[in-house]
Amino acid sequence: DTGVSQDPRHKITKRGQNVTFRCDPISEHNRLYWYRQTLGQGPEFLTYFQNEAQLEKSRLLSDRFSAERPKGSFSTLEIQRTEQGDSAMYLCASSFFRTQYNEQFFGPGTRLTVL
Amino acid sequence: AQTVTQSQPEMSVQEAETVTLSCTYDTSESDYYLFWYKQPPSRQMILVIRQEAYKQQNATENRFSVNFQKAAKSFSLKISDSQLGDAAMYFCAYRRRETSGSRLTFGEGTQLTVNP
Repeated sequence: DTGVSQDPRHKITKRGQNVTFRCDPISEHNRLYWYRQTLGQGPEFLTYFQNEAQLEKSRLLSDRFSAERPKGSFSTLEIQRTEQGDSAMYLCASSFFRTQYNEQFFGPGTRLTVL
Repeated sequence: AQTVTQSQPEMSVQEAETVTLSCTYDTSESDYYLFWYKQPPSRQMILVIRQEAYKQQNATENRFSVNFQKAAKSFSLKISDSQLGDAAMYFCAYRRRETSGSRLTFGEGTQLTVNP
């Protein structure tokens, strides 16, 4: 399968713990995006990278959140000191900038439950 | 800031019939893209159809077509000959032209049920 992959698919953690999610984009895609989707809502943008550079961050991305994309390949999203309000689906998408539409392809998501 | 609104939380349609999902948006930009994404249960989101704002012609993709009304900031999705596999959550989304950024802004979604 050459699509966007995310790991883990599900994560249950206790409040106050740190969690880290991984996203592997489609090979050769130079842009990578993170979105958060709460139950019954549309995804909300968190941040995106072009290669290894983080170009934009949403105000939703509090100080407890950090994202990296070392070497411009896979990306990690870490949440420190998790809160119950962090419970959501975290979606990753990738695209190839410079194509006509720069279409974003989504991964299956990581569902986080904070107890 | 751009906003996208889907006023129909749920819709249902009989198999083989036609259904229209509504979407309105607000932006001060003149050049942008609009999209409809489909998110089946427990599966990843996929692009259904896209529309470029500078194109007056409505986009079509097989059984899917849009009615793009730029002045009214309306962007509806019509699904013809509905199939059981069309059952999913549908999201309308907006994106500015590439030089202005890359983020997608989504609506709240419409849950589509297809009845056999």
